[in-house]
Amino acid sequence: AQKVTQAQTEISVVEKEDVTLDCVYETRDTTYYLFWYKQPPSGELVFLIRRNSFDEQNEISGRYSWNFQKSTSSFNFTITASQVVDSAVYFCALSEQGAQKLVFGQGTRLTINP
Amino acid sequence: DADVTQTPRNRITKTGKRIMLECSQTKGHDRMYWYRQDPGLGLRLIYYSFDVKDINKGEISDGYSVSRQAQAKFSLSLESAIPNQTALYFCATSDLPGDGQFFGPGTRLTVL
Repeated sequence: AQKVTQAQTEISVVEKEDVTLDCVYETRDTTYYLFWYKQPPSGELVFLIRRNSFDEQNEISGRYSWNFQKSTSSFNFTITASQVVDSAVYFCALSEQGAQKLVFGQGTRLTINP
Repeated sequence: DADVTQTPRNRITKTGKRIMLECSQTKGHDRMYWYRQDPGLGLRLIYYSFDVKDINKGEISDGYSVSRQAQAKFSLSLESAIPNQTALYFCATSDLPGDGQFFGPGTRLTVL
């Protein structure tokens, strides 16, 4: 069965600090997809990134970067030089090729203090 | 215009009432989903549909039913609402297996 664990319930940092959000997943499939979503205080869910199980290259998008390591079943998300606007709940999610539906972690509430 | 819309955006109802939440999408996706979000529990899948004739139960379908009226419309019903169904409800769509899902703005439901 597929499972996603985000062990950090809440993180609070001061603006301009770097912060890493952890995501550990469990799956028996060899083909699967990993996602990160952002939920700002306004409540909507914003898609950030998708990664398939055959692509272990790290990705950088501006201040955001993602580290995918199959050896540790982790897909961690780092925000560099954090800003107040990064304050949100962040969800990691997993979709197995066979199940074809998303399973979400519990979310990490990130607060960036000025 | 938003690609995925949900109505109503907020609803307060009483225990025992029937309520319907509606979702419409203009993305042309075949796959549609209903989730509920509770604090500390993330999003949990209620029902999903891969086309108009295909309806599947998710993780927490008890107390809910759905209707896929058309490719673009997917409704969630609570036949007899109870207080522990108070939550934020999201509709989502996707295209192919493994694609990211696109979410509506959410419906905040309160059952008194």
